[in-house]
Amino acid sequence: DAGVIQSPRHEVTEMGQEVTLRCKPISGHNSLFWYRQTMMRGLELLIYFNNNVPIDDSGMPEDRFSAKMPNASFSTLKIQPSEPRDSAVYFCASSTRGHTDTQYFGPGTRLTVL
Amino acid sequence: TQLLEQSPQFLSIQEGENLTVYCNSSSVFSSLQWYRQEPGEGPVLLVTVVTGGEVKKLKRLTFQFGDARKDSSLHITAAQPGDTGLYLCARNDYKLSFGAGTTVTVRA
Repeated sequence: DAGVIQSPRHEVTEMGQEVTLRCKPISGHNSLFWYRQTMMRGLELLIYFNNNVPIDDSGMPEDRFSAKMPNASFSTLKIQPSEPRDSAVYFCASSTRGHTDTQYFGPGTRLTVL
Repeated sequence: TQLLEQSPQFLSIQEGENLTVYCNSSSVFSSLQWYRQEPGEGPVLLVTVVTGGEVKKLKRLTFQFGDARKDSSLHITAAQPGDTGLYLCARNDYKLSFGAGTTVTVRA
């Protein structure tokens, strides 16, 4: 079975540009999570969806960040405008149901903002 | 703010040696998870511990949950190069909160 799929795997952009990261969760999973990993702050939860509805977005750093889940098989994380401090690895994870079930992580998108 | 303290931050050992990494908190965990992350990949769940004093074994890996459910340890016996990676603990309350991790390097 395919795991969580993320695209692109690497993204290099210039400050001020819009960046869109994409995620396809495991089929049948009802919960989707976006995380960000940096050396300084480690792995942090940004937002959590359940049945395509955002449940907890308290980790979203600021209004420049937005996330959508238009259907059960696709989610996007958008940064507009991007800044150098947004450089990080962004992970998507999915689970059958919420935080209590095992989360399966994708391979991540390494974002570099110049 | 890191709610979980992991130590040591880095660990480099020779193949065949044993190692222990620690995860501590000032507050009680409802449950704790250990993950391993290899370069260029996402974290992979190794184990979940729930009960104070619990010990779980996964081949050469032994996980302990402290009696007071404020600390946990991961012990690897006879480490192999394939054990190299970033080991993360995470408390699972209303959401997953990760420690900073321990980077383990096992030299052949």
